[in-house]
Amino acid sequence: AQSVAQPEDQVNVAEGNPLTVKCTYSVSGNPYLFWYVQYPNRGLQFLLKYITGDNLVKGSYGFEAEFNKSQTSFHLKKPSALVSDSALYFCAVRDHSGGYNKLIFGAGTRLAVHP
Amino acid sequence: EPEVTQTPSHQVTQMGQEVILRCVPISNHLYFYWYRQILGQKVEFLVSFYNNEISEKSEIFDDQFSVERPDGSNFTLKIRSTKLEDSAMYFCASSEGISTTNEKLFFGSGTQLSVL
Repeated sequence: AQSVAQPEDQVNVAEGNPLTVKCTYSVSGNPYLFWYVQYPNRGLQFLLKYITGDNLVKGSYGFEAEFNKSQTSFHLKKPSALVSDSALYFCAVRDHSGGYNKLIFGAGTRLAVHP
Repeated sequence: EPEVTQTPSHQVTQMGQEVILRCVPISNHLYFYWYRQILGQKVEFLVSFYNNEISEKSEIFDDQFSVERPDGSNFTLKIRSTKLEDSAMYFCASSEGISTTNEKLFFGSGTQLSVL
């Protein structure tokens, strides 16, 4: 069965410092991986995805994620954090057993960026 | 950017009552979904809907649940007889397509359902 794990409930980082939000996956076949962000009182917003190609994927708001097949990881990164990046971040994998965008989400990681 | 809208933002109901959660997907999207998140747990897939029928549903989506697209704009989730464990944040989502080029899901801000 497909699954993703986000080992950290919360990540704290100072503004201007680099940030990493971790995600590992377990899939059969090629993984289709996603990051979504949820700001307070808003729905989940798409950040980026990895389907195939370059292992470093660039997304919205300056975020990027690195696909690492040997470590089965898809960590979200940003070189310089902003206070406005504070939100809940979800890693997800597409479930290939279905054909209709069934996403399997991680539990989420709360990112807190301090001034 | 276009948005998926959900109403109400909060719904409180008594156990055993029926509730209907409403969603207006993005107008040119063809695929619709419901997900839910119980407090402190993962976001879980409930159901997908395409061409006026359910495409796929999870084990959670039992006979107490139903979805409908009653007109050209609304997409609803009905829970016939709510249970305490149905308390969760329910997210509606839509996508333009399902291929790898246009499968990005757009989510609404959710309806917090509290069953007392």
